[in-house]
This record gives sequence, structure tokens and C-alpha cells, in this order.
Amino acid sequence: EAGVAQSPRYKIIEKRQSVAFWCNPISGHATLYWYQQILGQGPKLLIQFQNNGVVDDSQLPKDRFSAERLKGVDSTLKIQPAKLEDSAVYLCASSFSLAALGTDTQYFGPGTRLTVL
Amino acid sequence: AQTVTQSQPEMSVQEAETVTLSCTYDTSESDYYLFWYKQPPSRQMILVIRQEAYKQQNATENRFSVNFQKAAKSFSLKISDSQLGDAAMYFCAYRSYGQGAQKLVFGQGTRLTINP
Repeated sequence: EAGVAQSPRYKIIEKRQSVAFWCNPISGHATLYWYQQILGQGPKLLIQFQNNGVVDDSQLPKDRFSAERLKGVDSTLKIQPAKLEDSAVYLCASSFSLAALGTDTQYFGPGTRLTVL
Repeated sequence: AQTVTQSQPEMSVQEAETVTLSCTYDTSESDYYLFWYKQPPSRQMILVIRQEAYKQQNATENRFSVNFQKAAKSFSLKISDSQLGDAAMYFCAYRSYGQGAQKLVFGQGTRLTINP
């Protein structure tokens, strides 16, 4: 079974530029998550999709960050314009979760390391 | 809101010995899940072990086991017979027991070094 795919693995941009990250979840997984991991910290949820609907985007800086999940499969996270403090690893995760109680393991991709200069 | 605290930024252990990583959490919920994830330099988070709060028995996965103390809100990870491949960042995480998918709340992480 293929894992969660993300691209690019690394990105370096100047502040005020825009950038986009792509995620392809595990086939059949209904839920997709984007986490931001700043150096030295644990990941923090930015946005969670159930199929193509947003479940939780309470910690997404909506003035500069946007995300979409077209057709309930792939997802794109965009930052426009980028700030220095956006330098971080952006992790995508997916889980099966069809409104069932119980353990619902999140599988993570390799992440994209963003450096804003 | 739930919080997770890992008070040990770094730990080191000799190969083949045992090490324990600490984690405490704060919640007002009675049912939830706790996890330990491993993040090697490749950055990919890998699930190590999972504990359901309603289970009194501590979870075990081969060389990895937990000590879950619900009243104390403590969830430590014990790694026995440490191997060089165990070197990584370890994150403790909390998830609510809700219907459907729930986000993970992570601690700050503990960097584990294995000395040969």
C-alpha cells in the first residue's frame, strides 16, 4: 500500500512570495490533515478535511493560508504572502475514518521543509 | 483545550539498555486516546504505540511499552533493549474520543540518542 505522498520535499522562498504544497493521501482515506511543525516543536494542526469539506480550520491563519481538497482526494496548501515565521515543516496526514468510533490511525507523509528568507 | 507536555527535551541511552520517556497531559475528558510517534531524520512520523484511556491494561508493542496512569494524567514510554535505529524525536500525542476523525495534539518532543 502506497503511503501519503507530498511534494516538494524542500522549498526556499523570499518573504512576501507565495508557495504551494501538494499532498496525495492513502487511497480510500476520507480524512486529510495539514500540520505545521516549527523547529523544536511538535506538529500543530492547521486544517482538517473530511472528504472535500473542512472539519476544523480554527488554527489556520486565513489571511495568508488557504487550502483545498478537490474531489476529496488530493489537497493543496498555499501561503500568500509568506512571512519569516512560516519557516517550518508542513506535514500532511490521512486517516480512514468513516464516522466510526475507535482508534483511527493517522498516517503521515514525509513533509515539506519550507525556508522563508 | 487539551495540552501535552514532554519535560525531557533530550535523552540518551546505551545500546541494549532501557530508557523511559515522560509525558503528561491535561484534559477534562474521560475518554480519549494517547499515542507515541517516532520522527527520524527523514521527518516521517511513525506510530509507535497507542493507548485507549478506557483500558486499564498498558499497551505493549514488542520492545515498546507504556505506563499509563490516568489519575495522574501521565503516559510514559519505555523502550527496552534499545537499538541504534531507535534514535529519533519522540512525540507524545492526545486525541479526543469523538465520533469520526479527531485531530492530534502533540507535545514538544524528546530527542533520543542511542550510544553504541
